[in-house]
Amino acid sequence: GAVVSQHPSWVICKSGTSVKIECRSLDFQATTMFWYRQFPKQSLMLMATSNEGSKATYEQGVEKDKFLINHASLTLSTLTVTSAHPEDSSFYICSASAGVYGYTFGSGTRLTVV
Amino acid sequence: RKEVEQDPGPFNVPEGATVAFNCTYSNSASQSFFWYRQDCRKEPKLLMSVYSSGNEDGRFTAQLNRASQYISLLIRDSKLSDSATYLCVVPMEYGNKLVFGAGTILRVKS
Repeated sequence: GAVVSQHPSWVICKSGTSVKIECRSLDFQATTMFWYRQFPKQSLMLMATSNEGSKATYEQGVEKDKFLINHASLTLSTLTVTSAHPEDSSFYICSASAGVYGYTFGSGTRLTVV
Repeated sequence: RKEVEQDPGPFNVPEGATVAFNCTYSNSASQSFFWYRQDCRKEPKLLMSVYSSGNEDGRFTAQLNRASQYISLLIRDSKLSDSATYLCVVPMEYGNKLVFGAGTILRVKS
């Protein structure tokens, strides 16, 4: 099956620092990667759509300068949370369309900003 | 109207019970639908895909009613391990973006 590897699984950082989250498609090429955020007891909310070799498309209300997305290759997309604040603490998860396997998700990154 | 709506529950049922969840969607042009299962602090995992009137896989049955724009998920003979949040997911017709329902919490108790 199609696997998306996401790292790190959890991270604690100080307010004002930046955190990079990586998602790699291990056995397929992901031309498009989706980045979601999930707050406690809420559903996944799409933040942005990342396309290989082009700029990401951000959903309304998501600051593109704060959440930097890079999709430099067909197997790697990164999300960098810049100048993190406690309100950015959340569960971040990526997803890619993997053909017949449907949409496959990374294992998620739990970010805690202190 | 929300794009995808679900009853948040929780549904508390005993082992062996049959339980059904409904999900309504707003985009009448949607062609495919998914039910995902999400365990606490984990990523969603695909449970079933629905492309036509329905789909069945073991104890799980998904049905689609296009006229009323809802999808249902039926779980028979509930197991303790079925306890999770069940997410109704509808791709948007443009850009392959997925819209998630808020999820329905199921708790199966012995």
